[in-house]
Amino acid sequence: TQLLEQSPQFLSIQEGENLTVYCNSSSVFSSLQWYRQEPGEGPVLLVTVVTGGEVKKLKRLTFQFGDARKDSSLHITAAQPGDTGLYLCAGVLPSGNLIFGKGTKLSVKP
Amino acid sequence: GAVVSQHPSWVICKSGTSVKIECRSLDFQATTMFWYRQFPKQSLMLMATSNEGSKATYEQGVEKDKFLINHASLTLSTLTVTSAHPEDSSFYICSARDIKQGVWGYTFGSGTRLTVV
Repeated sequence: TQLLEQSPQFLSIQEGENLTVYCNSSSVFSSLQWYRQEPGEGPVLLVTVVTGGEVKKLKRLTFQFGDARKDSSLHITAAQPGDTGLYLCAGVLPSGNLIFGKGTKLSVKP
Repeated sequence: GAVVSQHPSWVICKSGTSVKIECRSLDFQATTMFWYRQFPKQSLMLMATSNEGSKATYEQGVEKDKFLINHASLTLSTLTVTSAHPEDSSFYICSARDIKQGVWGYTFGSGTRLTVV
């Protein structure tokens, strides 16, 4: 069974701080996606990483795919209250289906 | 960008009744749609994969007779929760894959909050 371990599960920080969320698996994924979900809404895709070692930047968000394509990280610089939400990583299986991590609930306080 | 409309956004029903949830891809064709269930403070769990014109593929532990899925067209899939019970109360989310965007082209609906009383 392929599992994605996401950490930390909860994170509460002050505006302006930096943070990193980790997504780890013992399995290799062809690609990995990061989503952000607001309460009562569906997940919204932030990024897809495909190549081992790949780094993608989305404004203050930096996503990295591990060299072995088993792990990924999301780093947010100078977090803002608008970054508050549930961040989910999802591995893309060979079938094309997604397997989600348990998510990291981020709260950024002004 | 791709938009998936899910309806209703919330529904309250009595125990024993059935509820239908619709998932529509508004501006693209989706040969495959997915249905997820999310409990409070938990992640999304895939329930079934819905393919247009064929039977849905259910994940292990998901009762196909209870969660009826129909994918009659390239833009519409429905999930019917039959004989609902309070333990079926959850947040149900659909997603559709845009075939033009390849394997990564997932778009999620806004979810349906089902409460069974």
